[in-house]
Amino acid sequence: QVQVVQSGAEVKMPGASVKVSCKASGHTFSSSDINWVRQATGQGLEWVGWMNPNSGYTGFSQKFQGRVALTWSTSVSTAYLELSSLRYEDTAVYYCASESGNSGFEYWGQGTLVTVSS
Amino acid sequence: QSVLTQPPSASGVPGQRVVISCSGSSSNIGSNFVHWYQQLPGTAPKVVIYRNRERPSGVPDRFSGSTSGTSASLAISGLQSEDEADYYCAAWDNSLSGPSVVFGGGTKLTVL
Repeated sequence: QVQVVQSGAEVKMPGASVKVSCKASGHTFSSSDINWVRQATGQGLEWVGWMNPNSGYTGFSQKFQGRVALTWSTSVSTAYLELSSLRYEDTAVYYCASESGNSGFEYWGQGTLVTVSS
Repeated sequence: QSVLTQPPSASGVPGQRVVISCSGSSSNIGSNFVHWYQQLPGTAPKVVIYRNRERPSGVPDRFSGSTSGTSASLAISGLQSEDEADYYCAAWDNSLSGPSVVFGGGTKLTVL
């Protein structure tokens, strides 16, 4: 059984950075592409970016260019999303999701609520 | 404003067939696979259709997908109360600024 576990909720000040982690069990995460999607309260899904743990290749929505970093730790088989220069409008639930062979986002984390508040 | 266009709401009675549309362009639906996600309140999305018309194991065959040109559709037949959820279409987009995933704005399905 595949389980994807993300880190807990965060509260950050405007201008700060946040780092969210994503770890899978029962699934070889490193053989998939890992995507990040966010959802503000009551709103739709918004794609942030993707990375391939094997190649290190990444891609981002133009909206987040320059503010987001996606990384992978081989030692703990964990993916990370780091978003900097936080704004109030970055308040959302951030999900990680894996995709293999263009089959859609198959395995999702439970989501991490990031709240930007002064 | 979402790149893919979906109706904000849809509804049906139990047993009925409902179709949710998703309109895009040649750079996304017209040239890449479409996937459909179901999101129940307070939970992460779940893929119900991938690669236009494929169904993951465990998804009832009441769910089906199709595409035509730059549009896609998700059909749910024999509607059940547990189908009440938000549904999103998604596809890769070959934009000039680099490939990206685009979502529809979501359709809230109500089972009357």
